[in-house]
Amino acid sequence: DAMVIQNPRYQVTQFGKPVTLSCSQTLNHNVMYWYQQKSSQAPKLLFHYYDKDFNNEADTPDNFQSRRPNTSFCFLDIRSPGLGDAAMYLCATSRDRGIEKLFFGSGTQLSVL
Amino acid sequence: GNSVTQMEGPVTLSEEAFLTINCTYTATGYPSLFWYVQYPGEGLQLLLKATKADDKGSNKGFEATYRKETTSFHLEKGSVQVSDSAVYFCAITNSGGYQKVTFGTGTKLQVIP
Repeated sequence: DAMVIQNPRYQVTQFGKPVTLSCSQTLNHNVMYWYQQKSSQAPKLLFHYYDKDFNNEADTPDNFQSRRPNTSFCFLDIRSPGLGDAAMYLCATSRDRGIEKLFFGSGTQLSVL
Repeated sequence: GNSVTQMEGPVTLSEEAFLTINCTYTATGYPSLFWYVQYPGEGLQLLLKATKADDKGSNKGFEATYRKETTSFHLEKGSVQVSDSAVYFCAITNSGGYQKVTFGTGTKLQVIP
C-alpha cells in the first residue's frame, strides 16, 4: 500500500563523498518535491518537479541537484556533503500544482561523518 | 513571504485531556491552511485543511477554524488518546499560481495513559 517510497531509511556518507537519495511513487502524480528537515525545524522545500520541469528554490545550495528520469522516480543528489547537510530528507508528491494535499514518504535520515 | 509560527513542544497530556496546539501565520492574500501529522517512523500526512475564512476543518476528532482576523488556525481535540501521540505541523500555501506549502516547526504531542 506504500504510495511514496524512500530508500534507504538511513544513509551514512563521508564528508565530501557524493550521495544519492531515491524516491518512487505509485500515485502517478505530476509533481514531486524534496524537502530538507533538520532537527526541531520546519521542513524546507529544496526543489520540485512539475512533470519534467525542474523548479529550484532560490536559496537551495548548488550542492543539491535532482533528477526525475520518469514519472515514478525522483533522485536527490548531494555532490559534496558537508556536516551541515545532515538532516531528514522528505520526498512528497501532489497530483498537480494548486492541489494542496501532499503525500509524503517516510524520509531518509542522512548522516555525514 | 509566508511564515507559520507554532507553539513549542513537547506537549504532554493525559489520556482524555483536551488538546490545543496554537498556530498563527503571516501571509498575503488568501492562503489555504493545513494541519499535517507525523506518526513515529512515518511520513507526514494531511490531517485537515481549511481554504477560506471561517471554514472549519475536521478529521479524527480534531478541529481547526480558519480565523482571518487573528491569523490563526489552532488545532483542538476534546479527548486525546495515546494513539494521537505524534508531531503536528501547521502549514499554509500562498494564494494564486503555484501553491508552495510552508510548514511550521512542528509540535510534538505525547499522550500518557
